[in-house]
Amino acid sequence: DAKTTQPPSMDCAEGRAANLPCNHSTISGNEYVYWYRQIHSQGPQYIIHGLKNNETNEMASLIITEDRKSSTLILPHATLRDTAVYYCIVYFGNEKLTFGTGTRLTIIP
Amino acid sequence: DAGVIQSPRHEVTEMGQEVTLRCKPISGHDYLFWYRQTMMRGLELLIYFNNNVPIDDSGMPEDRFSAKMPNASFSTLKIQPSEPRDSAVYFCASSRGLEGNEKLFFGSGTQLSVL
Repeated sequence: DAKTTQPPSMDCAEGRAANLPCNHSTISGNEYVYWYRQIHSQGPQYIIHGLKNNETNEMASLIITEDRKSSTLILPHATLRDTAVYYCIVYFGNEKLTFGTGTRLTIIP
Repeated sequence: DAGVIQSPRHEVTEMGQEVTLRCKPISGHDYLFWYRQTMMRGLELLIYFNNNVPIDDSGMPEDRFSAKMPNASFSTLKIQPSEPRDSAVYFCASSRGLEGNEKLFFGSGTQLSVL
């Protein structure tokens, strides 16, 4: 019963912006959209989260559509170190955080 | 802040042996989680604790698995007896809370190989 849908894989050229889409058409009004990533052989790493508004931090930007049914994670200037699996998670709180299969992003030199 | 610390980083053992994985959460975090990751099943939540008390162990695969948290700074995941199908990467994570705007911090994991 997946709450999110992500493409299994994407490529992006080094130095370009990487735009990772996520569909969450059944999201409820109090559920947050979270993004984590997992670089090979490391533990998942928090990137960013948002509820309704777009968010930006030192790692990435999160764009959430007005109807909140989809979102895009943007890595503005991708580097080789951004090659990882990116997980989009919808989370209300007070429950288990469940990871799906994510998007495997490969940054190409 | 040292982050979540797990040990050992790698563990190779033989079938039937007892395995103990260790985790030190971030100081001040009230929640601790144990996840397992395999190619077939991805990241699975095994159990989590709140203030050292197990809250949900529904993800623990069977009685061979047990987890304890004797104090706020230490947790163990034990497998006895271990089997080859237990081979996986085991991650520990901690957070301040479970509210919708809290985030998880993961350790580097323990790569377990059961021969």
